[in-house]
Amino acid sequence: DAEITQSPRHKITETGRQVTLACHQTWNHNNMFWYRQDLGHGLRLIHYSYGVQDTNKGEVSDGYSVSRSNTEDLPLTLESAASSQTSVYFCASSRALQETQYFGPGTRLLVL
Amino acid sequence: AQTVTQSQPEMSVQEAETVTLSCTYDTSESDYYLFWYKQPPSRQMILVIRQEAYKQQNATENRFSVNFQKAAKSFSLKISDSQLGDAAMYFCAYRSAGNGNKLVFGAGTILRVKS
Repeated sequence: DAEITQSPRHKITETGRQVTLACHQTWNHNNMFWYRQDLGHGLRLIHYSYGVQDTNKGEVSDGYSVSRSNTEDLPLTLESAASSQTSVYFCASSRALQETQYFGPGTRLLVL
Repeated sequence: AQTVTQSQPEMSVQEAETVTLSCTYDTSESDYYLFWYKQPPSRQMILVIRQEAYKQQNATENRFSVNFQKAAKSFSLKISDSQLGDAAMYFCAYRSAGNGNKLVFGAGTILRVKS
């Protein structure tokens, strides 16, 4: 079955380290998104992509970057991890702009 | 910018009873979509129901229905015959029809179901 996966599911890192969270979908969806979930804020958009080589900043993009070299993957990189980036990260994808987004299982990141 | 407000941090319901979760939003747009997502303890985000703003009829999915009041910018979720498996965090979300596929989420409501 087609699906969207995230890895790792849990990650502990230290401040200042570079961290990359993987997102892979097998639906061949054009659109992919990264959100972070924090108590009291719901989910907030970090970055998004509408296709290969396309990336855009979301509401809370500072300290994060993404790249889209193929349709299936949108890795999220924390250039220099900060304690404020401790959160649960969700990847999502959709086939077209008006289609429903489907979410991955999430990655819990702890920055010490 | 659009905002979504869920004013109930927590709600409780007795099994088999009905509960309504509230959501209001702020937008100057006339064409948009509204969603309710469920997040059980597994953390998986599951789409519960979707409403197109241009449709006057309220969306329904089995035991889940919405009360969409466009003029009041209100989008509540009603869960009938509540089951233990309905216990979860519920998020209301907004998406503009003309500004890509970006979702704006509310802060969420934790629903507890008592047996």
